[in-house]
Amino acid sequence: ETGVTQTPRHLVMGMTNKKSLKCEQHLGHNAMYWYKQSAKKPLELMFVYNFKEQTENNSVPSRFSPECPNSSHLFLHLHTLQPEDSALYLCASSQGLEGHEQYFGPGTRLTVT
Amino acid sequence: AQSVTQLDSQVPVFEEAPVELRCNYSSSVSVYLFWYVQYPNQGLQLLLKYLSGSTLVKGINGFEAEFNKSQTSFHLRKPSVHISDTAEYFCAVSAINTNAGKSTFGDGTTLTVKP
Repeated sequence: ETGVTQTPRHLVMGMTNKKSLKCEQHLGHNAMYWYKQSAKKPLELMFVYNFKEQTENNSVPSRFSPECPNSSHLFLHLHTLQPEDSALYLCASSQGLEGHEQYFGPGTRLTVT
Repeated sequence: AQSVTQLDSQVPVFEEAPVELRCNYSSSVSVYLFWYVQYPNQGLQLLLKYLSGSTLVKGINGFEAEFNKSQTSFHLRKPSVHISDTAEYFCAVSAINTNAGKSTFGDGTTLTVKP
């Protein structure tokens, strides 16, 4: 595998379910990000990790819980989601936080029923 | 803090015509600038970036952009578009010499190339 991979690519879950999204980067980067991309809305930065430490949480509801066990892996744990949480969730990585381009995964298309 | 404004939400254009996608930014410090492209059902992919040096930067797929510091703009251009250029395009800035440094993205411009 090369670049940034995300699994699953598609996920349908009920509001009472618990699921996790997984992101893995094979680029040797130190920073990883979660974004939410909804239709007709701008890209929303959710969380930023640098060297496994969370450096930013953009007022994300607690029903979204990130986990970064190492610099190559990033998870987003989901529980008791709402229908408005349906979106494309994108993971990205970069060499560092300052001035580096981000490399994106293909995203997970989440539908909450 | 910085912000990015993409002046056109949608740009329709005919195949082989030139196109310009406009991006203005605001920042209290110096920034790096990026353009990304997102094809349907995919993540974002870097088209080009400006870090320093020549203000005209060339990217992949025949795209180029010009950094204009006085006008705080970073417009993306292509002299002749193809159907395959149909996609969403995002302009982004990243502040230099700050602890945050993360990129701020514009709202995106949908480029539709018609035959």
